[in-house]
Amino acid sequence: SQKIEQNSEALNIQEGKTATLTCNYTNYSPAYLQWYRQDPGRGPVFLLLIRENEKEKRKERLKVTFDTTLKQSLFHITASQPADSATYLCALRGSGTYKYIFGTGTRLKVLA
Amino acid sequence: NAGVTQTPKFRVLKTGQSMTLLCAQDMNHEYMYWYRQDPGMGLRLIHYSVGEGTTAKGEVPDGYNVSRLKKQNFLLGLESAAPSQTSVYFCASSSLSGGLYNEQFFGPGTRLTVL
Repeated sequence: SQKIEQNSEALNIQEGKTATLTCNYTNYSPAYLQWYRQDPGRGPVFLLLIRENEKEKRKERLKVTFDTTLKQSLFHITASQPADSATYLCALRGSGTYKYIFGTGTRLKVLA
Repeated sequence: NAGVTQTPKFRVLKTGQSMTLLCAQDMNHEYMYWYRQDPGMGLRLIHYSVGEGTTAKGEVPDGYNVSRLKKQNFLLGLESAAPSQTSVYFCASSSLSGGLYNEQFFGPGTRLTVL
């Protein structure tokens, strides 16, 4: 069955460092991969979309890579700030479908 | 522009009771989704709709029904609530643009407890 794995353990990093989160998947060939941010008690908020034919996408301090051979996406936050503390979810969608499959998310805590 | 709204925000039910969760979006989006989020399980798709009058099953549809009579509204019904349906429910919507699907916009969630 299709499976998406994100590090279930919280990631603690020091302010100013680069945070790197991982999203691995199996038994799936996604055409699109998204990253969302979720704060406690709130709904997820979209951050970035990357397509299967794209290796890297950037938006301000955010960078996403997509390696379809390794079946992995990396999500980087450079110059991290305490305000970046949240849970980050990856979501995958195949071509020809309207449905996204979500990972369980990784909780990031940026320490001041 | 309110985006995606959900009603109610909190609800406590007894086993066997029924209820309807309402999702409304004012972005004229074609697609709407209902998810549930449980600790350690992530977001799981219950039902979705690709347009007014159409619905389809997601990953965990049992025990739920949906209706999309108007483009802006997507209703999720629980006919006979069970404790296993205790969860946080999120509604989301997205649009079709230029042949590529855009991001999903999520509502604030409904926290449901079934005793």
